[in-house]
Amino acid sequence: DTAVSQTPKYLVTQMGNDKSIKCEQNLGHDTMYWYKQDSKKFLKIMFSYNNKELIINETVPNRFSPKSPDKAHLNLHINSLELGDSAVYFCASSQLGSGGDQETQYFGPGTRLLVL
Amino acid sequence: DAKTTQPNSMESNEEEPVHLPCNHSTISGTDYIHWYRQLPSQGPEYVIHGLTSNVNNRMASLAIAEDRKSSTLILHRATLRDAAVYYCILTFSGNTPLVFGKGTRLSVIA
Repeated sequence: DTAVSQTPKYLVTQMGNDKSIKCEQNLGHDTMYWYKQDSKKFLKIMFSYNNKELIINETVPNRFSPKSPDKAHLNLHINSLELGDSAVYFCASSQLGSGGDQETQYFGPGTRLLVL
Repeated sequence: DAKTTQPNSMESNEEEPVHLPCNHSTISGTDYIHWYRQLPSQGPEYVIHGLTSNVNNRMASLAIAEDRKSSTLILHRATLRDAAVYYCILTFSGNTPLVFGKGTRLSVIA
């Protein structure tokens, strides 16, 4: 069973369109993340949600709006897509432990977005 | 920004041990050292982590210097499936996002 899944795997769209990427985790984790990996392969955090509440929002254009309908899902909606939005978007999840240790993050397979 | 320094790339022969170094001279006492890797066209995956003592798991070993300013990820017998970008990441406690650097691209030669 896939722990963290994303749909779609590939997304090709025109500039100006609005699109959504969905993420689901079946690990029972309470924290979920969106990361972006650009063409130079740098991975950067975009958003972090804990128990459906936004806790981290990095410097991301407000065209990007995450939504967490429940703990197991974190979707990413992008309005007015631009060429520079082309990247691979990864969803991840983790569970806050009690030992003070950084908990392992589990990543999805990524969504490859190409804006034409 | 990432607080670790890793070589851009390394090469290994198949079945040989691989030592991937990481410098983190500004590490604080509460920072954990995590290693993740990203295989081609996949999301990152956890490899190993530690605080002060050396650690072993089924994937790798982590050797941490006594002053904690550097660490080494050890793959005991590299296989072709180990070809990936390996990231050394310092983390504080809690569910904080990972800060990825450029990592080390490991090539494994048959």
